[in-house]
Amino acid sequence: DTGVSQNPRHKITKRGQNVTFRCDPISEHNRLYWYRQTLGQGPEFLTYFQNEAQLEKSRLLSDRFSAERPKGSFSTLEIQRTEQGDSAMYLCASSSSGQGKIISAFFGQGTRLTVV
Amino acid sequence: GNSVTQMEGPVTLSEEAFLTINCTYTATGYPSLFWYVQYPGEGLQLLLKATKADDKGSNKGFEATYRKETTSFHLEKGSVQVSDSAVYFCALSDKGTGKLIFGQGTTLQVKP
Repeated sequence: DTGVSQNPRHKITKRGQNVTFRCDPISEHNRLYWYRQTLGQGPEFLTYFQNEAQLEKSRLLSDRFSAERPKGSFSTLEIQRTEQGDSAMYLCASSSSGQGKIISAFFGQGTRLTVV
Repeated sequence: GNSVTQMEGPVTLSEEAFLTINCTYTATGYPSLFWYVQYPGEGLQLLLKATKADDKGSNKGFEATYRKETTSFHLEKGSVQVSDSAVYFCALSDKGTGKLIFGQGTTLQVKP
């Protein structure tokens, strides 16, 4: 297993365009998280899935953001009508849960979005 | 709500110096506590963790003890190396959802 994989690594887009990022978690992990990290700050939680169900969304996730995990495997994060304030590193993490225990989250290398 | 506060950086040390990076938290209940490290150009890596009060997490010479009475999880290393230069993030985890709340990060620069 090669860990959590995110694509693309970098994305430059014009304001107003739509973008989609993909995350492939560690295969046996049932939980998948999205975070956003801006320069000089720690990552901020956006949303998470357990299997295919999206269980929580942060207030940071405006109506322009949507995330899916259709078969409980990979996930996509789409941003519609991008704004310059969306420029950030988008991080994906996965972990597993069961029997009341949660395994520590492993992170991908992130997708850096620049909106021009 | 839950939050994490880290000492501001950058922290600049000479090789073999002693390192402390302070971290305090505010949380309801008893979260798990973590230190993650981000080396230049790389993703976040789990450095160590502690899941209950008085637990000590350790890895690669780094240590941190979960102190409930002071709501702290300070990171320490006895002798830093140039290769330890990175950004260090303290975080707490909601035990139900597993979502992480991070501090703002502390940049460590170690000079030879």
